[in-house]
Amino acid sequence: KNEVEQSPQNLTAQEGEFITINCSYSVGISALHWLQQHPGGGIVSLFMLSSGKKKHGRLIATINIQEKHSSLHITASHPRDSAVYICAVNGWGDYGGSQGNLIFGKGTKLSVKP
Amino acid sequence: EAGVTQFPSHSVIEKGQTVTLRCDPISGHDNLYWYRRVMGKEIKFLLHFVKESKQDESGMPNNRFLAERTGGTYSTLKVQPAELEDSGVYFCASRQTGGSYGYTFGSGTRLTVV
Repeated sequence: KNEVEQSPQNLTAQEGEFITINCSYSVGISALHWLQQHPGGGIVSLFMLSSGKKKHGRLIATINIQEKHSSLHITASHPRDSAVYICAVNGWGDYGGSQGNLIFGKGTKLSVKP
Repeated sequence: EAGVTQFPSHSVIEKGQTVTLRCDPISGHDNLYWYRRVMGKEIKFLLHFVKESKQDESGMPNNRFLAERTGGTYSTLKVQPAELEDSGVYFCASRQTGGSYGYTFGSGTRLTVV
């Protein structure tokens, strides 16, 4: 079992829908990251969280440290939001090795239809 | 500010050949990471440089992989000799030192070994 699990693996939505992608992790962490990768493109960092909630435009990321769970929400989804969304964590202590590297989930492939 | 640059973007080589991937981090970023995504799997950590020193190379698969970062600027990742299972997308990321800084990723190099 991977230390970072995402759900769902695939998600299809209609334009305008509210979208939630979930991430659960089993290790102690110092930070959690949400990343975005468009088809054929590089990886873009969306959020880095260690507690609470962050908002950027139509994107909202939340984290519950006690429950080891984070969610990424997209409001008023648009076809240009279609991408793979990846959750990754910086491990803490023994889990993190150098404490600088990232442990990744497998990603959630989002497709937003017009 | 220029981002993280990787080249080549694609490489197709025959089994047994040598390939060298290059990553130019953001200027001033002491931390440089190499990651790899093998098809169908999550992205995995390979190694971490702090300036020119290898901080953590626990993710390197075997001694066919050699990474260098001479002078603490750009880094190269050489695979010699390449095997079929080395195929995947190799990502580089850089980051400033300090817990509050996020990662900036390159667009990746897609390596196909035939």
